Amino acid sequence: GAVVSQHPSWVICKSGTSVKIECRSLDFQATTMFWYRQFPKQSLMLMATSNEGSKATYEQGVEKDKFLINHASLTLSTLTVTSAHPEDSSFYICSAASGPWGTEAFFGQGTRLTVV
Amino acid sequence: DQQVKQNSPSLSVQEGRISILNCDYTNSMFDYFLWYKKYPAEGPTFLISISSIKDKNEDGRFTVFLNKSAKHLSLHIVPSQPGDSAVYFCAASLSGSARQLTFGSGTQLTVLP
Repeated sequence: GAVVSQHPSWVICKSGTSVKIECRSLDFQATTMFWYRQFPKQSLMLMATSNEGSKATYEQGVEKDKFLINHASLTLSTLTVTSAHPEDSSFYICSAASGPWGTEAFFGQGTRLTVV
Repeated sequence: DQQVKQNSPSLSVQEGRISILNCDYTNSMFDYFLWYKKYPAEGPTFLISISSIKDKNEDGRFTVFLNKSAKHLSLHIVPSQPGDSAVYFCAASLSGSARQLTFGSGTQLTVLP
């Protein structure tokens, strides 16, 4: 299957700082990328849908000013957690798909964010 | 409101036996369903999917059954192997697209040797 690479795989940051997470499609062009968040022992919750060249669409309850998403190219989307707080500590996962009616989306390996 | 539910947080099965993981959904508009396998600190890996026009899809040891009237799907793994031990998520989507997914809360499967 296609490869989606997410970086970093884990990060520890201080409260108040910002953290950028990258999601790259390595062997295909992804017109759409999705960002999910997973709390311990809970489901993956969709945060936002990122379309190349346009603004991201955020799910209800997700602060767009806190979770900045940029999809500048067909192979890269970034999620920046701004002014991070301990409650932002979580597992963040991206997925990528090609085409308007693509087949299964492929997931990155996830990023464990810990805010201290 | 949780639209996709996996009511069993964990399941233990003996190696060689059948594992049955269950999933229920509430949104009748969902028309595409998927199962993912996830190891700790990794992203989900796609296992198998089924469109709402079918009631069964089989791929090797994995079979997914869909009962639309009951809004229920299940994943059967037979025979179960220790390497199958992981968290299994069922997911659903609208409009036949597998890209924007609503996930269940997952079931931890442990296959005992």
